[in-house]
Amino acid sequence: DAGVIQSPRHEVTEMGQEVTLRCKPISGHNSLFWYRQTMMRGLELLIYFNNNVPIDDSGMPEDRFSAKMPNASFSTLKIQPSEPRDSAVYFCASRPTSAVNIQYFGAGTRLSVL
Amino acid sequence: QQPVQSPQAVILREGEDAVINCSSSKALYSVHWYRQKHGEAPVFLMILLKGGEQKGHEKISASFNEKKQQSSLYLTASQLSYSGTYFCGTERGDDKIIFGKGTRLHILP
Repeated sequence: DAGVIQSPRHEVTEMGQEVTLRCKPISGHNSLFWYRQTMMRGLELLIYFNNNVPIDDSGMPEDRFSAKMPNASFSTLKIQPSEPRDSAVYFCASRPTSAVNIQYFGAGTRLSVL
Repeated sequence: QQPVQSPQAVILREGEDAVINCSSSKALYSVHWYRQKHGEAPVFLMILLKGGEQKGHEKISASFNEKKQQSSLYLTASQLSYSGTYFCGTERGDDKIIFGKGTRLHILP
């Protein structure tokens, strides 16, 4: 199994630009989570999907952030326009259909907004 | 609400024991423990469900006191490979895991 795949691994962009982060969950997993990690705030849940449907986006910082899951094998997190305070590592995680919530994380995307 | 972990950082010599604590102000359904090595993704260690059972993973075990909404992670006879940041995550039965800020563990040879 390839695990959760995120791309790109690193992204450097200038303030105001649009940024799109991508995630491919583990095949057969029906839930997908987007997290943001910073030194100050730790690992924060931004949004999660069940069966491609957004369930809770209360962690999304503001309207500049949006996430989609058009099918079971792909999700995107978009920031438009990006700001320097968005610099962080963004993780995607997926979990299988089971009674126990064990999440498998991707390697993350390190975003730097200059 | 984010659980509180203590201590924030620990430095041990190989072979020593450590305890990492996690507490929440809310009633919990389960507690999760993950370990993250520098520059890598968090990796699942164990989950403790409501019921107070203790789980083990190699020489790492954990307990969950649901009355006190607290969990502790026990690392016995620590190895160099245990170095990393340990996160506890709390879940209230809605699939959302809220992670603490982490405890950095450094093992010296």
